Amino acid sequence: SQTIHQWPATLVQPVGSPLSLECTVEGTSNPNLYWYRQAAGRGLQLLFYSVGIGQISSEVPQNLSASRPQDRQFILSSKKLLLSDSGFYLCAWSVQGLAGPNTGELFFGEGSRLTVL
Amino acid sequence: AQSVTQLDSQVPVFEEAPVELRCNYSSSVSVYLFWYVQYPNQGLQLLLKYLSGSTLVKGINGFEAEFNKSQTSFHLRKPSVHISDTAEYFCAVSESFGDKLIFGTGTRLQVFP
Repeated sequence: SQTIHQWPATLVQPVGSPLSLECTVEGTSNPNLYWYRQAAGRGLQLLFYSVGIGQISSEVPQNLSASRPQDRQFILSSKKLLLSDSGFYLCAWSVQGLAGPNTGELFFGEGSRLTVL
Repeated sequence: AQSVTQLDSQVPVFEEAPVELRCNYSSSVSVYLFWYVQYPNQGLQLLLKYLSGSTLVKGINGFEAEFNKSQTSFHLRKPSVHISDTAEYFCAVSESFGDKLIFGTGTRLQVFP
């Protein structure tokens, strides 16, 4: 079965420090990968999505970047954190293509709570 | 561009009462619609989805939703809620099968004894 792991679960960082959140998927190959951010009272905002290694699409201009160095690894980074980067970050994956077991569903990790002080 | 509106940010309800969580979407093409539930400090879990076919969709935990194309709505309902249904509920839309989902701002369902 497929699983998705996301870490760290919680993180407290000072303003101006770097960030690295990691997400890996197991049990599937060539998934679509996503990073969402959930800020208080603002729902889920899609930050990045990737359809393959090295292929990253950014949905909103921001202080963050994403990379996909391997097929099932997705990393969210920042060189200098801002207070506004605080939030709950969720990694997700979906099956690519129209055939096979694709149900159109996104599968989410447990999330990483980032507090910037 | 597609978008999702969840009109109610919070819905308080007593246990065993019925509930409806509203969702409206905006899209110029055919859509795929989803409802997800999020329990505190956890990721999201799929409740149900509409891809095609019957407009009444049944999901887990006794929830159902009806796709109404003329009203561009996909409201979530449950005839009798439990305390354990207390959570955040998100409606989402996708224009391409297996593509990115655009989420609404969420509705917090609070069930009181």
